[in-house]
Amino acid sequence: GAVVSQHPSWVICKSGTSVKIECRSLDFQATTMFWYRQFPKQSLMLMATSNEGSKATYEQGVEKDKFLINHASLTLSTLTVTSAHPEDSSFYICSAGEGYPHNEQFFGPGTRLTVL
Amino acid sequence: QKEVEQNSGPLSVPEGAIASLNCTYSDRGSQSFFWYRQYSGKSPELIMFIYSNGDKEDGRFTAQLNKASQYVSLLIRDSQPSDSATYLCAVNPSRTGNQFYFGTGTSLTVIP
Repeated sequence: GAVVSQHPSWVICKSGTSVKIECRSLDFQATTMFWYRQFPKQSLMLMATSNEGSKATYEQGVEKDKFLINHASLTLSTLTVTSAHPEDSSFYICSAGEGYPHNEQFFGPGTRLTVL
Repeated sequence: QKEVEQNSGPLSVPEGAIASLNCTYSDRGSQSFFWYRQYSGKSPELIMFIYSNGDKEDGRFTAQLNKASQYVSLLIRDSQPSDSATYLCAVNPSRTGNQFYFGTGTSLTVIP
């Protein structure tokens, strides 16, 4: 299957700082990538759809000014958590797919964010 | 009504038994269906996808799809302790888009 990478795999930061997470499709081009958040023992929650060359589409309840998404190329999407607070501590996972015909999505390994 | 529903479990089966995981979906026009496995602290890993009615087998895994009844299932034969994980059902409602709807997952424990 296709390979999706994320960097960093974990990050610890102080409250009020901003953190950037990168998601890369390594062996395919992805016009669309997805960002999820997962709290312990809970299911995946879709945060936003990242579209190459255009604005991201955010799910209801997700603050677009707090979670900045940039999809500058067909292989890279970034999620920046601005002015992070302890409640933003979570497991952030991106996914990407090659599209038609089967539309499989492949997940990156995830980034564990801890805000002190 | 949730788009995709799964029994959250936990489901426990003895080693060597068949584990049966079920999923129902609400959008009758959904096109593609996926099963992911997620180990604790890790991201989901694609196990199988299916898009035609019937069964699809891959090793110890069999996906079953019944579009008329709007359910998809995953059977794991000869269950192993390493199969212990949360299994996520995902549905892609569109043939052209690739946004998925995920179930909340079923926790499976295989007892040695």
